[in-house]
Amino acid sequence: EVQLVETGGGLIQPGGSLRLSCAASGFTVSSNYMSWVRQAPGKGLEWVSVIYSGGSTYYADSVKGRFTISRDNSKNTLYLQMNSLRAEDTAVYYCARERDYGDYIDAFDIWGQGTMVTVSS
Amino acid sequence: SSELTQDPAVSVALGQTVRITCQGDSLRSYYASWYQQKPGQAPVLVIYGKNNRPSGIPDRFSGSSSGNTASLTITGAQAEDEADYYCNSRDSSGNHGYWVFGGGTKLTVL
Repeated sequence: EVQLVETGGGLIQPGGSLRLSCAASGFTVSSNYMSWVRQAPGKGLEWVSVIYSGGSTYYADSVKGRFTISRDNSKNTLYLQMNSLRAEDTAVYYCARERDYGDYIDAFDIWGQGTMVTVSS
Repeated sequence: SSELTQDPAVSVALGQTVRITCQGDSLRSYYASWYQQKPGQAPVLVIYGKNNRPSGIPDRFSGSSSGNTASLTITGAQAEDEADYYCNSRDSSGNHGYWVFGGGTKLTVL
């Protein structure tokens, strides 16, 4: 079964750090484009970061310089290292697979269940 | 970066047809995808590309696009279709790798 399972969320003080994990099963993380998407309480979805199969990484302006996306091919797991956390980073964080359907068509076809990050003193 | 605009809320009578729209300049260059999200659950892809449904998505869901507007149509809405719907597309403002999401539309089935 194709599945993504996020872990690592929790309560963290402003300025602190947290690392989220996203374990994949049924497909290979390193062969796909993998993204993190977050959703603040009661708000909409916000794309956060992507790592390409070739290793290139991109970040939303709101997290650039503070968050780092990476993967461990041996564990088939995606990570999001979050540093210098702010109250506005409070959200459910989802990992998602970008599927390339060809003809410049792609979409997030597989999502994890999400992990909650709360930044508060 | 690009922006996608959706109506915050739409309602439809049970069994009727409803269209949810998404506007943005990026839609002139990229197809929109549509996601359904029910309370406490992760988003689910319902439409991608010109008008494609992933396996398991009912055929009452369809998509279309014209100019800078993409639409999700539910023909014969069911009670279980009550949810938040988000559109998204690639960013077209030069930020390579970026994605943009619409603000979401809350669909109420009456």
